[in-house]
Amino acid sequence: KNEVEQSPQNLTAQEGEFITINCSYSVGISALHWLQQHPGGGIVSLFMLSSGKKKHGRLIATINIQEKHSSLHITASHPRDSAVYICAVWARDTGNQFYFGTGTSLTVIP
Amino acid sequence: ETGVTQSPTHLIKTRGQQVTLRCSSQSGHNTVSWYQQALGQGPQFIFQYYREEENGRGNFPPRFSGLQFPNYSSELNVNALELDDSALYLCASSPSGRFYEQYFGPGTRLTVT
Repeated sequence: KNEVEQSPQNLTAQEGEFITINCSYSVGISALHWLQQHPGGGIVSLFMLSSGKKKHGRLIATINIQEKHSSLHITASHPRDSAVYICAVWARDTGNQFYFGTGTSLTVIP
Repeated sequence: ETGVTQSPTHLIKTRGQQVTLRCSSQSGHNTVSWYQQALGQGPQFIFQYYREEENGRGNFPPRFSGLQFPNYSSELNVNALELDDSALYLCASSPSGRFYEQYFGPGTRLTVT
């Protein structure tokens, strides 16, 4: 079983739609990251969360530590949002390391 | 402030060869982590270096080794390359004591033929 599970694996949306990507994890964490990766490209960290909610432009990330769950929301989606979104957690109790989800591939159609 | 850089960008090697990948950490960061991302998969943690010492290791064989230098730049060495080593190799640097705060480089794409 993976320490980090994401859903959905693939997502296609029309431009302007509200998008939600979910992440559940099974380990104690120090922080959770939402990462963005464009095809063939490196990784950009969108958010780092240890509690509550963060907002940056059209992106919102929330985390519920008790439920071990986080969501990434994209409001008014745009074709340039098309990318793979990866949830990663920094495990606190199982040796300092990152555990990554397998990613959600998002395609936004104009 | 200079971000994390990696070299080379792309590399093609033959099975059995050895390869060295390089990473320069962000200014002021003394921790470097290395990850392997196979095509279509999420990244997998290889190891982390903190102040020139290995500070954690994922489930990778000993032929994956690393170094961190006094200027906190780092190398990833892979011996006896196998076809399955073909992947994007990412490094990320972190500020002192904040291992969970990681800034990623653009990656090195390694192809083993």
